[in-house]
Amino acid sequence: QKEVEQNSGPLSVPEGAIASLNCTYSDRGSQSFFWYRQYSGKSPELIMSIYSNGDKEDGRFTAQLNKASQYVSLLIRDSQPSDSATYLCAVNLNTGGFKTIFGAGTRLFVKA
Amino acid sequence: NAGVTQTPKFQVLKTGQSMTLQCAQDMNHNSMYWYRQDPGMGLRLIYYSASEGTTDKGEVPNGYNVSRLNKREFSLRLESAAPSQTSVYFCASSEAGGSHQPQHFGDGTRLSIL
Repeated sequence: QKEVEQNSGPLSVPEGAIASLNCTYSDRGSQSFFWYRQYSGKSPELIMSIYSNGDKEDGRFTAQLNKASQYVSLLIRDSQPSDSATYLCAVNLNTGGFKTIFGAGTRLFVKA
Repeated sequence: NAGVTQTPKFQVLKTGQSMTLQCAQDMNHNSMYWYRQDPGMGLRLIYYSASEGTTDKGEVPNGYNVSRLNKREFSLRLESAAPSQTSVYFCASSEAGGSHQPQHFGDGTRLSIL
């Protein structure tokens, strides 16, 4: 079992719809969770971080964390064609060190 | 503010050649990282440096060495390049190695080994 799993997609949604991206992780002691957006040929950029159970909203983005279920998600409201990218879920492991595990990413296409 | 700067951006090597990828950050971050990204496999940690003067292996360290030259600079060396090391390499930094710190990435080095 991979430590951080994401559906590779592609996930296709129409413009203006809600895109829902999901991620599961295996290390129950993980404390920090991040979503990065990566456009084709570019580097990852941080869009959301979440550390506590529940929802965290930032503009059109909402991150949701459920530590009991070892599940983290990202909702993108009012999706725009500019949101088309690969979204990487990242988890900081509870190793006492600095190890971050990235999922393989979900490709999102927003159709105009 | 440049953030994290990687050089070179592109490189083609022959099998057995050596080279060093350079990374520098101007954000006064303590921790630095090297990743490789291959299609369908996401980012995999090669080495990291929690603070100046320390380095540790990540998930895929074989075939690589690193040097944390000072607080700003963290280099990655391929001593004898192999085709399996063809990849996109990203350097990243974070304010500290603590659990809640996100990472900031450079633009990447696209490396091909023939």
